[in-house]
This record gives sequence, structure tokens and C-alpha cells, in this order.
Amino acid sequence: GQSLEQPSEVTAVEGAIVQINCTYQTSGFYGLSWYQQHDGGAPTFLSYNALDGLEETGRFSSFLSRSDSYGYLLLQELQMKDSASYFCAVRDPGDMRFGAGTRLTVKP
Amino acid sequence: KAGVTQTPRYLIKTRGQQVTLSCSPISGHRSVSWYQQTPGQGLQFLFEYFSETQRNKGNFPGRFSGRQFSNSRSEMNVSTLELGDSALYLCASSRTGMNTEAFFGQGTRLTVV
Repeated sequence: GQSLEQPSEVTAVEGAIVQINCTYQTSGFYGLSWYQQHDGGAPTFLSYNALDGLEETGRFSSFLSRSDSYGYLLLQELQMKDSASYFCAVRDPGDMRFGAGTRLTVKP
Repeated sequence: KAGVTQTPRYLIKTRGQQVTLSCSPISGHRSVSWYQQTPGQGLQFLFEYFSETQRNKGNFPGRFSGRQFSNSRSEMNVSTLELGDSALYLCASSRTGMNTEAFFGQGTRLTVV
């Protein structure tokens, strides 16, 4: 079956860098996505990696290693508004599975 | 441009009833996908429609169904509601599919009593 593992909580200070890891087990694999969700809000798409390597979008970067079934989301220059839950999700043929989410708390 | 619109925002239904939720995607987006979010199970994928055809389907019972119209608007239906169907139902639209940038609506909060 499929499973995704990501830390349940991460805390960091403003201006710091934080990395949220995601490991997965799937029977098929198309790609790894990341989403951000603030309390009471809808998820926001952050990135999608289908190939190995690092994708950078502003302060956020996402990395994928298909051979290790592993990816991470890197958030730089943390701001208070980055406090939210972050979900990784795996696309496989016909389905999409989400991790349980990592709650990031940014402190001043 | 207008975002993804879901209606209604809140809904209370009784066990055994059925419910229909609506999602209007961003203009020009042909893919609409549906998700269920609960505190216990987290985010779960229901199904994806593209150009009026169901393209992908998650692991939900047949009580959960959907359709997409020629204008890309989508509806999902849940029949014979159970207490466990209480959840936030989210839809997301994208130009070509779930791999690309997807925009979520604010969701429909369904409570089954």
C-alpha cells in the first residue's frame, strides 16, 4: 500500500531556515507535491516535483530523490506568516495520497 | 480573475439523506479534483474530472460520486449519508491536471447529524 511520513510539528524562529521531510512508499509514482494550509483556510499549492533535484520558487524550495523515496520542502527567511500546516502528497497512477501534515510554528 | 467557488459553504444533513456539492473552477481550467478533509483522516483525494470525464479516483465507496459539466463546473454527490461523512469537502481546479498548479476553493463544511 501507500504511506507517507512527515514530522507532525516543527518550530523555528523568524529569519531561520527550516526543512520539512517527507518519505513515501507507493506502488507507483508520478510526483511529489507540497501544499500549505493556514488554520481555517484552504490548501495552497506550493510545488510539484516529478524528477530528481531541487526546484526553487522564491523563499521556498522543494527537493525529490526518487531512488530514496524522499523529498523535502525548504523554507528560507522564515516569516511569521509561514506558520501553517504543510502537506506532502504523492501522485501515482489514478490516485493521490497526502501526508498527515507538519504544523510549522514560527516564533519571533 | 475569480477564484474557485464552492457552494454551499456550510451544510447540515441527517443520516441517510443525500447531498450535492458544487464547484465552479477558475475560467479556463479543465481539471477539477475533490478532496475530503477530517481531523482523523486528514486530506484524502476523492476523484478528478477533466473535460467531463472522471480521470482518477481515490479509495472511497460508491456512495461518493461526481460529474463535470461542459463548462467545467463540477458537482459531487454523497448518498445515504453517514456520521463519518462529516468533513470539509474541498475542490481544486487546474489547467491540465493535479500535477500542475492547483487552486483550491474555500470548501464546504458538511455536518451529518
